[in-house]
Order: sequence, then C-alpha cells, then structure tokens
Amino acid sequence: DGGITQSPKYLFRKEGQNVTLSCEQNLNHDAMYWYRQDPGQGLRLIYYSQIVNDFQKGDIAEGYSVSREKKESFPLTVTSAQKNPTAFYLCASSFRRIGYTFGSGTRLTVV
Amino acid sequence: AQTVTQSQPEMSVQEAETVTLSCTYDTSESNYYLFWYKQPPSRQMILVIRQEAYKQQNATENRFSVNFQKAAKSFSLKISDSQLGDTAMYFCALPVEETSGSRLTFGEGTQLTVNP
Repeated sequence: DGGITQSPKYLFRKEGQNVTLSCEQNLNHDAMYWYRQDPGQGLRLIYYSQIVNDFQKGDIAEGYSVSREKKESFPLTVTSAQKNPTAFYLCASSFRRIGYTFGSGTRLTVV
Repeated sequence: AQTVTQSQPEMSVQEAETVTLSCTYDTSESNYYLFWYKQPPSRQMILVIRQEAYKQQNATENRFSVNFQKAAKSFSLKISDSQLGDTAMYFCALPVEETSGSRLTFGEGTQLTVNP
C-alpha cells in the first residue's frame, strides 16, 4: 500500500547534538512538508518542497535544515541551533492541493 | 494573509448526539479546497472530509458533513450520532498558494470529547 513512513517513532537528543528525522513516501507525490506540533497546539510549517532539489522555509525554519535529493525522500535535520526541539514532528506529502497524506510522526525529546 | 480560525478550543458531546465544530477562513482565491482532519490520541492525522469551493453542494462522509458558506468564508463540521471513537483533536485546513508553491495552513484545533 502507498503511504508515508516516518522514522524513528521516538528520538532522544542530547544537548548540542544534531539529529535527522526520516520521511519516505511511495505515493509519487511531488510536494512534501514538515510540520512541528507542540502539546495541545496546532501544526506549524517548518519546511516544504515542491520538487526535487528545491525547498522553501516555512514559518519556523530556524534551527532546522532539509534536503530533497530524491522525490521519495525529505529528511529533516534538527540542529543544535534549535533551542527548544522537544516536540512532535509530522511529515506530509501532497498531490497538487487535492489531497494531503501524513506520516505517523516522530516524537523528539531532548535529554 | 490567508488564515484559518477555529474559535472553539474545546467541545464535548454526549454519545449519539450531534455536534458542530466551527471554522472560518480568509483567502483571496476563487477556487480552492478545504479540509477537516482528525487527530486521535495516537496523533495520526486522518482526513475526515474535503470540500471543493466551486461545488455548491456540501460534502458528506457517512456521519460527517459540512456546512460550507463561501460568501461568509465559513466551513463548519457536523458530526451526527457521535461515537466514543470520535474523541480527538479536529483541525480545519486550507491549502494556500504562494509563489514558491502551495502549503497547507491549519487552524488552532478543537479538542472534542464524546462522553458515554
């Protein structure tokens, strides 16, 4: 079945450490997105990409980086510059503006 | 700016009753889609219903239906015969077209609790 796979499900980061969250889709969608969700709050856009080798900053891009070397993959790196990274991270992909599919998320905790 | 507003942070309903969640939005586009997503405690985002702006007929999916008022820019979700499994956070969402591409913008969410 087609879908989006995020890994790992849980991730722990030490102070000053960079970590990378994986997002893979087999839906043949052109666009991919990363959202951050804090407890009891809505989703805020971090980065998005409409095509391979191109991506744009969302509303809260500081302290994060992405790459889009393949259509299927859109990894997110949480850098040491992100001072408050503990949150739930959701990856999504879309076919035009008709439908958006979400992964099951990664919960990142700073230890 | 293109925005989505949900003015009800929390709502509750008795099992088998009907509840309506409100959403208003602002957009300069004439043709667009609107979505309602459900996020249960598992935190998986699940599409509940989708509305195309150029269609006058309100979308329905089993117990879920919308009241789409394009002129008023209102997009409410009605859940009939509420079930315990409907307990979740509900988000209204609008795809926004920008020069760099489209992005999905969400409201703040409404936490719905269905009581037995």
